[in-house]
Amino acid sequence: SQQGEEDPQALSIQEGENATMNCSYKTSINNLQWYRQNSGRGLVHLILIRSNEREKHSGRLRVTLDTSKKSSSLLITASRAADTASYFCATDAWSSGSARQLTFGSGTQLTVLP
Amino acid sequence: ETGVTQTPRHLVMGMTNKKSLKCEQHLGHNAMYWYKQSAKKPLELMFVYNFKEQTENNSVPSRFSPECPNSSHLFLHLHTLQPEDSALYLCASRMAGGNYEQYFGPGTRLTVT
Repeated sequence: SQQGEEDPQALSIQEGENATMNCSYKTSINNLQWYRQNSGRGLVHLILIRSNEREKHSGRLRVTLDTSKKSSSLLITASRAADTASYFCATDAWSSGSARQLTFGSGTQLTVLP
Repeated sequence: ETGVTQTPRHLVMGMTNKKSLKCEQHLGHNAMYWYKQSAKKPLELMFVYNFKEQTENNSVPSRFSPECPNSSHLFLHLHTLQPEDSALYLCASRMAGGNYEQYFGPGTRLTVT
């Protein structure tokens, strides 16, 4: 089963509102990352939070991490139509054996209505 | 622009064709990845190269054959594909030993007819 799972699968809000997306995972991690993907394009790294951090900010983005609950949230404040995209969480963890891998969830499709 | 380019951006091929996808990174990274992204499914890691050596092959069918001639270039050779192989193929790179954040190319949209 996949490591990271986002919730909700889809989110539609009005411009100016805040958007919150959640991610749950199963194993111990080195860090957790959030990526954004515009339709049919590659992923763009947004923000990384280490396993010993609880909260991190970058511009209009706020990420929290609760390692006891194995969950993270991404908050986008004052959303804009240009924020419309899919957002993925990715967990950096050691896979079976000695390989370190980044495992992605299925994503949250965010639509910001003008 | 993330510094990772992929060509072609779109590819339509028949099941008996042979084609190759190309990825090039201009970031000085030393690890490169191929991912497959199908509709409504998580990204699937296919292959990993560290310092030009393949370190991961996630049970990918042999009709997909990767090649990494140097740390800046990565190819995915395709032959006798199936319609279910239609997907967006993404290349990514990173600097080994860093925070493990990856930089992605724009992808190749592959359609197998």
